[in-house]
Formats: sequence, C-alpha cells, structure tokens
Amino acid sequence: KQEVTQIPAALSVPEGENLVLNCSFTDSAIYNLQWFRQDPGKGLTSLLLIQSSQREQTSGRLNASLDKSSGRSTLYIAASQPGDSATYLCAASGNQFYFGTGTSLTVIP
Amino acid sequence: NAGVTQTPKFQVLKTGQSMTLQCAQDMNHEYMSWYRQDPGMGLRLIHYSVGAGITDQGEVPNGYNVSRSTTEDFPLRLLSAAPSQTSVYFCASSYSSTGELFFGEGSRLTVL
Repeated sequence: KQEVTQIPAALSVPEGENLVLNCSFTDSAIYNLQWFRQDPGKGLTSLLLIQSSQREQTSGRLNASLDKSSGRSTLYIAASQPGDSATYLCAASGNQFYFGTGTSLTVIP
Repeated sequence: NAGVTQTPKFQVLKTGQSMTLQCAQDMNHEYMSWYRQDPGMGLRLIHYSVGAGITDQGEVPNGYNVSRSTTEDFPLRLLSAAPSQTSVYFCASSYSSTGELFFGEGSRLTVL
C-alpha cells in the first residue's frame, strides 16, 4: 500500500522567507502528485498538479517538483506572506489518491 | 460553476440515528469519492465511484453506504450512527481516478 509522509508536521517562519515543504511516498508507480492547501474549517484547495511525466509545476510564488525515482516531491514557497499560513497536504495518485497528514505552516508578520 | 457542493455543513446526531450526507458536482466528473478527516490520521477514503452505477469500498467503509445513480450526485449514508463516526467528511471529484482532485467544503458531523 502506498504511504505518503510529510515532514515536518509544523513549521513556523518569519514573513519574507523562502521555504520548502517535503512530501515522500513509498511506491514510485504514481500517475501524478498533487499539492493542496487547507485553511482551518475549510475544504482542500488544489494548488499544483504534477503529472508523472513532469518534473515540476509553477504557479505564482509556488513551485512544486517531483522525483519519482527517489519518491519525493517538494513545494517551494517564495517570499512567504502571513496569508500563506495554512496546512499543506500532498497526495499521490495510484489506483486511489493517497494523502499525507500535512504540514501546518505559520508565517509570522 | 459551483464545483463540489456538500450539504449539510454541520450535523449533530444521536447514536443509532441514520442520515445522508449529500454531494453534488457540476463538472461532469466520472470519479467521486468520500473521505473522513480526523486529527492526526489524515484523510481516509470511505467509498468511491468511477461512474454512474459503479461504487467500491475504500479504506474505512464499515457503517457507510453509497450509491451513484447519476454522474452529478454521490450521497453518503450513515446507517446507524456511532460516536466513532464523529468526524469531518469531505466529498471530492475528478474527471478520472488519476486526474486533478477537487474537494467540497466539508460536512462536520458530531454523534452523541
């Protein structure tokens, strides 16, 4: 069974810092890797989707990379802002979607 | 486009009661799924469907029923609610089981 891990569980950074969130998965036979944002009491919002044939995707200040061979994906957030504070989850798609437990990010003004 | 719509947003039940969580999507997605989210356990798949008339069990199906009579709707039924089913429930859909996944806002259920 696919297992997805996100470390650290929580991260606190000062505003303006660049940061990297990590996602690792045990089975490299995935169709895609998707990053989500979840605000407290809300649903999951899709941020970036990386197809298995791709190495990275970018949207604004966000850049996600995928290395299937090592079972890793990273989400890079440039020039972090307090509004980026949220929980970030990754999901690996195989025959189902397998989720990590997320990294809770706090950006301190 | 409303995306994925879940109702109700909040519900309190007594042990043994039954209820249905509604989920509808207007994106013509074939794949629909239900998850529950509990602190420290992440998202766990309850049931999923790859098209109208087709459903299958996920990781934690016990105590839940689903049906898929139309492409748009995928209701989740709790047959006899138990306190262990207190959770936040999310419906999600995608054009396929390997495509981009879109979520509803969630339904917070408390079973007393």
